[in-house]
Amino acid sequence: SQQGEEDPQALSIQEGENATMNCSYKTSINNLQWYRQNSGRGLVHLILIRSNEREKHSGRLRVTLDTSKKSSSLLITASRAADTASYFCATDEGDFGNEKLTFGTGTRLTIIP
Amino acid sequence: EAGVAQSPRYKIIEKRQSVAFWCNPISGHATLYWYQQILGQGPKLLIQFQNNGVVDDSQLPKDRFSAERLKGVDSTLKIQPAKLEDSAVYLCASSFWGNYGYTFGSGTRLTVV
Repeated sequence: SQQGEEDPQALSIQEGENATMNCSYKTSINNLQWYRQNSGRGLVHLILIRSNEREKHSGRLRVTLDTSKKSSSLLITASRAADTASYFCATDEGDFGNEKLTFGTGTRLTIIP
Repeated sequence: EAGVAQSPRYKIIEKRQSVAFWCNPISGHATLYWYQQILGQGPKLLIQFQNNGVVDDSQLPKDRFSAERLKGVDSTLKIQPAKLEDSAVYLCASSFWGNYGYTFGSGTRLTVV
């Protein structure tokens, strides 16, 4: 089953603009992670934010987490053509040693040169 | 460090045939996951191993799918007999002890005709 719902399903922006994707989930989590996937290839881990964190930065990425609303957002600043990919949020849930990662439905991002 | 290795990269089989996928996780990673990703959807967890024990196989269609992780290292996922709806990318991932981000392999793209 899918834990997260991502919004929008697809997003097209001009190169240099900022891209924002949102993720909502249903259950308690240990952390939330964002992944990128290019053309059906393997998933690349982008950033992890723990349940007691509210905001995290990594390069051009900014992630926020609101556990009261069970939602997260991923902001990519100054987008580049190479950022064109599908982006998935994934929630890490379960007790220590029994954690599992459940993915959302994904956002297809297209950067127009 | 070497990544998660998967083989084969692509496989085309006829329905009712059998197929097996292989995964070699990152050395020292105790947890290994198999995901199924149908085109246009997020990955769905099929089975999770902790060392060589199964932690979660609740979404594994056990009438046709089987998986093993001998000696807590390599893993194989088998489908027998395959159905058309099994066409998907099968992704293997590993993590050190959960909660630290997961490393995914490049996946095996299965087409059932």
